[in-house]
Amino acid sequence: EAHLMESGGGLVQPGGSRRLSCEASGLTFSNYEMNWLRQTPERGLEWIANISTGGSITHYADSVKGRFTISRDNGKHSLYLQMNSLRAEDTAVYYCASGRDCINVGCQNAAYFQFWGHGTVVTVSS
Amino acid sequence: DIQMTQSPSILSAFVGDRVTITCRASQNINEWLAWYQQRPGKAPKLLIYKASTLENGVPSRFSGSGSGTEFTLTISSLQPDDFAIYYCQQYNSYSWTFGQGTKVTIK
Repeated sequence: EAHLMESGGGLVQPGGSRRLSCEASGLTFSNYEMNWLRQTPERGLEWIANISTGGSITHYADSVKGRFTISRDNGKHSLYLQMNSLRAEDTAVYYCASGRDCINVGCQNAAYFQFWGHGTVVTVSS
Repeated sequence: DIQMTQSPSILSAFVGDRVTITCRASQNINEWLAWYQQRPGKAPKLLIYKASTLENGVPSRFSGSGSGTEFTLTISSLQPDDFAIYYCQQYNSYSWTFGQGTKVTIK
């Protein structure tokens, strides 16, 4: 059974940086596109970043473009989110989530989120 | 960005009721729509993708329909485990966006 576990959340000052990690098990990590999403009571669920299976192609929501960087290490079955220039409005529960198995099932027109981590809380406050 | 609007925002129902949630897209998204269930304190769980395809392991009382701009999620006979928040999500084009959620509560 697939399992994703985020870590790295916590309290950060405005303007600061934080790196989130997501460790995957129970799935062939390198077969899956991966994503970061976040959730707040005010803005609901928001997709923020996507990375291709090999890591060479990334996409970002406008709200984080230029400040956040998604990356992955397939050898370590891990996904990362480097967050810089953090703002109060970045306060949220951050989830990592997989797309579909691109090799065995295909991931064209399959940009939904099959497996999710439990989430990690990032609070941006002075 | 494509805006997704769900209705109702809150729905009260009895166990055994048939429940329908609507999701409307601000522009044509073909059939590229997913539905998720989120229980309190938990991550969302994928229920349906491609508007009507049930994810493995999801009970058959859940069904989805629609295409273009209007979609529905139906629970044929509401069970105690089904009281949760339901979200739709479009994946027709970046940025992928979610509806605001529909909370299903016990009447």
